[in-house]
Amino acid sequence: DIQMTQSPSTLSASVGDRVTIACRASESIATWLAWYQQKSGVAPKLLIYKGSTLQSGVPPRFSGSGSGTEFTLTITSLQPDDFATYYCQQYNSYPLSFGGGTKVE
Amino acid sequence: DVELLESGGGLVQPGASLRLSCAASGFKFSDSAMTWVRQAPGRGLEWVSVIGGSGVNTFYAESVKGRFTISRDNSNSTLFLQMNTLRAEDTAIYYCVKGLNTAGDYWGQGTLVTVSS
Repeated sequence: DIQMTQSPSTLSASVGDRVTIACRASESIATWLAWYQQKSGVAPKLLIYKGSTLQSGVPPRFSGSGSGTEFTLTITSLQPDDFATYYCQQYNSYPLSFGGGTKVE
Repeated sequence: DVELLESGGGLVQPGASLRLSCAASGFKFSDSAMTWVRQAPGRGLEWVSVIGGSGVNTFYAESVKGRFTISRDNSNSTLFLQMNTLRAEDTAIYYCVKGLNTAGDYWGQGTLVTVSS
Protein backbone atom coordinates (compact mmCIF):
# COMPACT_ATOMS: atom_id res chain seq x y z
CA ASP A 1 0.00 0.00 0.00
CA ILE A 2 1.16 3.55 -0.73
CA GLN A 3 1.75 5.77 2.29
CA MET A 4 1.38 9.54 1.99
CA THR A 5 3.36 11.82 4.31
CA GLN A 6 2.66 15.54 4.60
CA SER A 7 4.83 18.20 6.18
CA PRO A 8 4.53 20.22 8.22
CA SER A 9 1.53 18.99 10.23
CA THR A 10 0.86 22.56 11.40
CA LEU A 11 1.91 25.78 9.77
CA SER A 12 1.63 29.27 11.27
CA ALA A 13 1.25 32.00 8.66
CA SER A 14 -0.15 35.48 8.12
CA VAL A 15 -2.33 36.99 5.46
CA GLY A 16 -0.21 37.74 2.41
CA ASP A 17 2.38 35.04 3.14
CA ARG A 18 3.54 32.51 0.57
CA VAL A 19 2.72 29.07 1.94
CA THR A 20 4.18 25.76 0.83
CA ILE A 21 2.98 22.31 1.91
CA ALA A 22 4.91 19.17 1.03
CA CYS A 23 3.56 15.70 0.33
CA ARG A 24 5.66 12.60 -0.17
CA ALA A 25 4.53 9.21 -1.50
CA SER A 26 6.16 5.97 -0.39
CA GLU A 27 6.48 4.95 -4.04
CA SER A 28 6.07 6.63 -7.39
CA ILE A 29 2.54 7.77 -8.21
CA ALA A 30 3.41 9.70 -11.40
CA THR A 31 1.08 12.74 -11.10
CA TRP A 32 -1.91 10.88 -9.69
CA LEU A 33 -2.23 13.28 -6.78
CA ALA A 34 -5.02 15.51 -5.53
CA TRP A 35 -5.10 18.29 -2.95
CA TYR A 36 -8.11 19.00 -0.75
CA GLN A 37 -8.98 21.85 1.58
CA GLN A 38 -11.18 21.25 4.59
CA LYS A 39 -12.66 23.73 6.99
CA SER A 40 -14.01 22.70 10.35
CA GLY A 41 -17.30 20.81 10.21
CA VAL A 42 -17.52 20.89 6.42
CA ALA A 43 -16.82 18.31 3.71
CA PRO A 44 -13.46 18.63 1.94
CA LYS A 45 -13.19 20.66 -1.24
CA LEU A 46 -11.03 19.58 -4.19
CA LEU A 47 -8.40 22.17 -5.10
CA ILE A 48 -6.07 20.40 -7.50
CA TYR A 49 -6.02 17.06 -9.29
CA LYS A 50 -3.53 15.27 -11.52
CA GLY A 51 -0.77 16.94 -9.58
CA SER A 52 -1.21 20.44 -10.98
CA THR A 53 -4.65 20.87 -12.58
CA LEU A 54 -6.67 23.56 -10.83
CA GLN A 55 -10.26 22.58 -10.13
CA SER A 56 -12.86 24.89 -11.65
CA GLY A 57 -13.63 27.85 -9.40
CA VAL A 58 -10.46 27.56 -7.32
CA PRO A 59 -8.49 30.83 -7.13
CA PRO A 60 -5.22 30.88 -9.10
CA ARG A 61 -3.21 31.68 -5.96
CA PHE A 62 -3.34 27.91 -5.40
CA SER A 63 -0.94 25.75 -7.41
CA GLY A 64 0.37 22.22 -7.32
CA SER A 65 3.60 20.77 -8.60
CA GLY A 66 5.67 17.61 -8.50
CA SER A 67 5.69 14.09 -9.85
CA GLY A 68 6.87 10.67 -8.80
CA THR A 69 7.13 10.82 -5.02
CA GLU A 70 7.52 14.54 -4.20
CA PHE A 71 4.69 17.06 -4.45
CA THR A 72 4.00 20.60 -3.31
CA LEU A 73 0.94 22.74 -2.76
CA THR A 74 1.66 26.47 -2.89
CA ILE A 75 -0.55 29.37 -1.91
CA THR A 76 1.12 32.48 -3.31
CA SER A 77 -0.58 35.06 -1.07
CA LEU A 78 -2.53 33.63 1.85
CA GLN A 79 -6.02 35.05 2.23
CA PRO A 80 -8.27 34.97 5.33
CA ASP A 81 -10.43 32.31 3.70
CA ASP A 82 -7.43 29.99 3.29
CA PHE A 83 -6.96 29.15 6.98
CA ALA A 84 -7.93 25.48 6.90
CA THR A 85 -6.52 21.96 6.83
CA TYR A 86 -5.05 20.64 3.59
CA TYR A 87 -4.76 17.00 2.53
CA CYS A 88 -2.97 15.32 -0.32
CA GLN A 89 -4.36 12.09 -1.74
CA GLN A 90 -2.88 9.55 -4.12
CA TYR A 91 -5.00 7.74 -6.66
CA ASN A 92 -2.30 5.83 -8.51
CA SER A 93 -3.42 2.51 -7.06
CA TYR A 94 -5.87 0.96 -4.63
CA PRO A 95 -6.21 1.27 -1.74
CA LEU A 96 -6.30 5.03 -2.19
CA SER A 97 -4.70 6.99 0.62
CA PHE A 98 -4.62 10.47 2.12
CA GLY A 99 -1.81 12.30 3.83
CA GLY A 100 -2.20 13.14 7.49
CA GLY A 101 -3.11 16.75 6.82
CA THR A 102 -1.52 20.18 7.27
CA LYS A 103 -3.34 22.74 9.37
CA VAL A 104 -2.67 26.33 8.30
CA GLU A 105 -3.28 28.63 11.24
CA ASP B 1 -27.44 20.58 -9.41
CA VAL B 2 -25.62 17.59 -7.97
CA GLU B 3 -26.94 16.47 -4.61
CA LEU B 4 -25.70 13.64 -2.38
CA LEU B 5 -27.66 12.95 0.78
CA GLU B 6 -26.26 10.40 3.22
CA SER B 7 -28.39 8.69 5.84
CA GLY B 8 -28.36 5.71 8.16
CA GLY B 9 -25.78 6.83 10.68
CA GLY B 10 -26.33 6.55 14.41
CA LEU B 11 -25.15 5.09 17.70
CA VAL B 12 -24.56 1.35 17.78
CA GLN B 13 -22.79 -1.09 20.06
CA PRO B 14 -19.55 -2.84 19.13
CA GLY B 15 -20.25 -5.89 16.98
CA ALA B 16 -23.44 -4.46 15.55
CA SER B 17 -24.30 -3.75 11.92
CA LEU B 18 -25.40 -0.61 10.15
CA ARG B 19 -26.31 0.24 6.57
CA LEU B 20 -25.55 3.67 5.19
CA SER B 21 -27.32 5.07 2.16
CA CYS B 22 -26.48 7.93 -0.17
CA ALA B 23 -29.28 9.26 -2.35
CA ALA B 24 -27.91 10.92 -5.48
CA SER B 25 -29.51 13.35 -7.89
CA GLY B 26 -28.55 15.90 -10.54
CA PHE B 27 -26.30 13.65 -12.62
CA LYS B 28 -26.32 10.33 -14.43
CA PHE B 29 -25.67 8.09 -11.45
CA SER B 30 -24.81 4.94 -13.41
CA ASP B 31 -21.97 6.78 -15.18
CA SER B 32 -20.16 7.68 -11.98
CA ALA B 33 -17.84 5.70 -9.76
CA MET B 34 -18.86 6.35 -6.17
CA THR B 35 -16.67 6.39 -3.10
CA TRP B 36 -17.02 6.34 0.69
CA VAL B 37 -14.51 8.38 2.69
CA ARG B 38 -14.61 8.64 6.48
CA GLN B 39 -13.19 10.95 9.12
CA ALA B 40 -12.87 10.00 12.76
CA PRO B 41 -13.52 12.84 15.24
CA GLY B 42 -10.58 15.24 15.22
CA ARG B 43 -8.65 13.05 12.77
CA GLY B 44 -7.74 13.04 9.10
CA LEU B 45 -9.49 11.63 6.06
CA GLU B 46 -9.53 7.89 5.36
CA TRP B 47 -10.58 6.35 2.05
CA VAL B 48 -12.95 3.44 2.70
CA SER B 49 -14.27 1.96 -0.53
CA VAL B 50 -15.14 2.59 -4.17
CA ILE B 51 -17.58 1.03 -6.63
CA GLY B 52 -17.62 1.40 -10.40
CA GLY B 53 -20.62 2.69 -12.29
CA SER B 54 -21.93 -0.76 -13.19
CA GLY B 55 -21.42 -2.07 -9.66
CA VAL B 56 -19.10 -4.84 -10.78
CA ASN B 57 -15.77 -3.45 -9.61
CA THR B 58 -15.23 -2.72 -5.94
CA PHE B 59 -12.20 -1.97 -3.77
CA TYR B 60 -11.80 -1.63 -0.01
CA ALA B 61 -9.38 -0.29 2.56
CA GLU B 62 -7.63 -3.04 4.51
CA SER B 63 -9.20 -1.72 7.71
CA VAL B 64 -12.72 -2.60 6.51
CA LYS B 65 -12.14 -5.48 4.10
CA GLY B 66 -14.32 -8.45 4.97
CA ARG B 67 -16.59 -6.37 7.23
CA PHE B 68 -17.95 -3.67 4.92
CA THR B 69 -19.70 -4.12 1.58
CA ILE B 70 -20.29 -1.34 -0.93
CA SER B 71 -23.15 -1.62 -3.40
CA ARG B 72 -25.39 0.54 -5.54
CA ASP B 73 -28.88 0.62 -6.98
CA ASN B 74 -28.61 2.46 -10.28
CA SER B 75 -32.34 2.33 -10.88
CA ASN B 76 -32.87 4.41 -7.72
CA SER B 77 -29.59 6.37 -7.84
CA THR B 78 -28.58 5.17 -4.41
CA LEU B 79 -25.23 4.10 -2.99
CA PHE B 80 -24.95 1.82 0.05
CA LEU B 81 -22.39 0.81 2.60
CA GLN B 82 -23.23 -2.27 4.65
CA MET B 83 -21.09 -2.23 7.78
CA ASN B 84 -20.88 -5.39 9.89
CA THR B 85 -18.98 -6.27 13.05
CA LEU B 86 -18.52 -2.60 13.85
CA ARG B 87 -15.65 -1.53 16.10
CA ALA B 88 -14.99 1.59 18.14
CA GLU B 89 -12.41 2.65 15.56
CA ASP B 90 -15.13 2.76 12.89
CA THR B 91 -16.59 5.81 14.66
CA ALA B 92 -16.46 8.59 12.08
CA ILE B 93 -18.35 10.86 9.75
CA TYR B 94 -18.92 8.90 6.54
CA TYR B 95 -18.95 10.91 3.33
CA CYS B 96 -20.38 9.79 0.00
CA VAL B 97 -18.32 11.12 -2.91
CA LYS B 98 -19.02 11.33 -6.62
CA GLY B 99 -16.06 11.37 -8.99
CA LEU B 100 -13.32 11.56 -6.35
CA ASN B 101 -10.24 13.45 -7.62
CA THR B 102 -11.84 14.40 -10.92
CA ALA B 103 -13.27 17.63 -12.26
CA GLY B 104 -16.67 16.24 -11.20
CA ASP B 105 -15.61 15.68 -7.59
CA TYR B 106 -18.57 16.25 -5.25
CA TRP B 107 -19.06 15.34 -1.57
CA GLY B 108 -22.16 14.84 0.51
CA GLN B 109 -22.54 16.45 3.93
CA GLY B 110 -21.73 13.19 5.72
CA THR B 111 -23.46 10.98 8.27
CA LEU B 112 -22.07 10.26 11.73
CA VAL B 113 -21.56 6.70 12.88
CA THR B 114 -20.75 6.19 16.55
CA VAL B 115 -19.75 2.76 17.83
CA SER B 116 -19.83 2.64 21.60
CA SER B 117 -21.16 0.52 24.43
